[in-house]
Order: sequence, then structure tokens, then C-alpha cells
Amino acid sequence: DSGVTQTPKHLITATGQRVTLRCSPRSGDLSVYWYQQSLDQGLQFLIQYYNGEERAKGNILERFSAQQFPDLHSELNLSSLELGDSALYFCASSRSGSGELFFGEGSRLTVL
Amino acid sequence: QKEVEQDPGPLSVPEGAIVSLNCTYSNSAFQYFMWYRQYSRKGPELLMYTYSSGNKEDGRFTAQVDKSSKYISLFIRDSQPSDSATYLCAMKVALTGGGNKLTFGTGTQLKVEL
Repeated sequence: DSGVTQTPKHLITATGQRVTLRCSPRSGDLSVYWYQQSLDQGLQFLIQYYNGEERAKGNILERFSAQQFPDLHSELNLSSLELGDSALYFCASSRSGSGELFFGEGSRLTVL
Repeated sequence: QKEVEQDPGPLSVPEGAIVSLNCTYSNSAFQYFMWYRQYSRKGPELLMYTYSSGNKEDGRFTAQVDKSSKYISLFIRDSQPSDSATYLCAMKVALTGGGNKLTFGTGTQLKVEL
């Protein structure tokens, strides 16, 4: 158990809908990262937050947004969903910027 | 060309074999090098973390970094069926603004057979 909690574990929705994925980092970790994992693309970095502030952006679509709240949990919002958004979405946390990321179990999104 | 290249496998070896997993990279800005293990339907877990060129050993695992060749390796000695998983190399680069990101290889699927 990495200590990172993600909900929901599975989500099935339709195209055009909006979903919110939630992540609670390990106790004491200030950084939260979001990654998307699909079969053909592997793990793709989406965005990083540190203590409530956005620190780095990767290949995150404009339809996607994220935030980190004062209690350090984070949410990833995905809107106007398309079939191609079906993937595993991972949240990871770290204590500093060392790169030692601890991943949650992921949220599996299926868009029909 | 991808920043990080990794042979997807699958790689099948007998129990007890020495396994060699490799990644090459093109971005000289990568500073830290990691190996993660991912079991099916689970999140990646950190196995090894290195900064400088050279070897780092942890139990049956040895990570090797050659910055001059932009090549990293993970060796698994005395492989066990429980080592069957996908192994992902990852490399960290610091970004302007204080952020950082890990760039992952696509992963090598390993199966250790009895």
C-alpha cells in the first residue's frame, strides 16, 4: 500500500460527459502528480501541484483541469469526454521534488 | 523520436535467471533515473533510484546508469515468478518554475516461468 488513495477505482460514462477523479496523497507529501496511462501511449505526465499551486504542466488537454486543495487532496476534472480519453488515470505524490513518486492504484475510466 | 526508448518485450525467462532490462534516452537534461515495477491493474511502485553514473545495488536488483551513452539498465538476479510484472524506466527533469516531471518508458513486460 503506497498510502496514496484514489477514487473512484472504476468509472464508466458516455461521450460528452464530465467526471471528477479524486486523490489523497500520502501523509506529509506536498506534491501531487497526475498521469494518464493508455495501452498505446504508456504513462503520460499531465500536471503537478505543490502545496496548492500548479508547478508543471505536461500533455494535459484543455478539456482537463486539476486543482489541489488546502488539505492537499487533489481532483482531476475531465470534461467533454471522448472515446480516446478511456485510460487509467494515476495520481502520485512525493515529499519533495526528488522524483520518488508514490502512485495510487489508479482510476480506470471507460468512455462509451 | 521518443525521449525515452524501452523495448516492450514480452521477455520470458526461467526462474533463477539473470534479467537485463534497458532504456535509452535522448534528453541530456535528465538528472535522476528510476525503475518502477507495475503489476497488472496496479499502480507503479518505485524499485530503484539513482542520480550519478555507475551502479547501485539493492538486494537482487542492480541499477546501472551510463550518462555518456544515455543508457540505463536494471539487472535482476535469481529471478522469481513474483518478479513477473512490467518494468518501467523513468527519468526526471527539473522544469522552470520549480516543478519537475518524470518521463517514463513504455515498459518491458517480464514473465519468470517455473
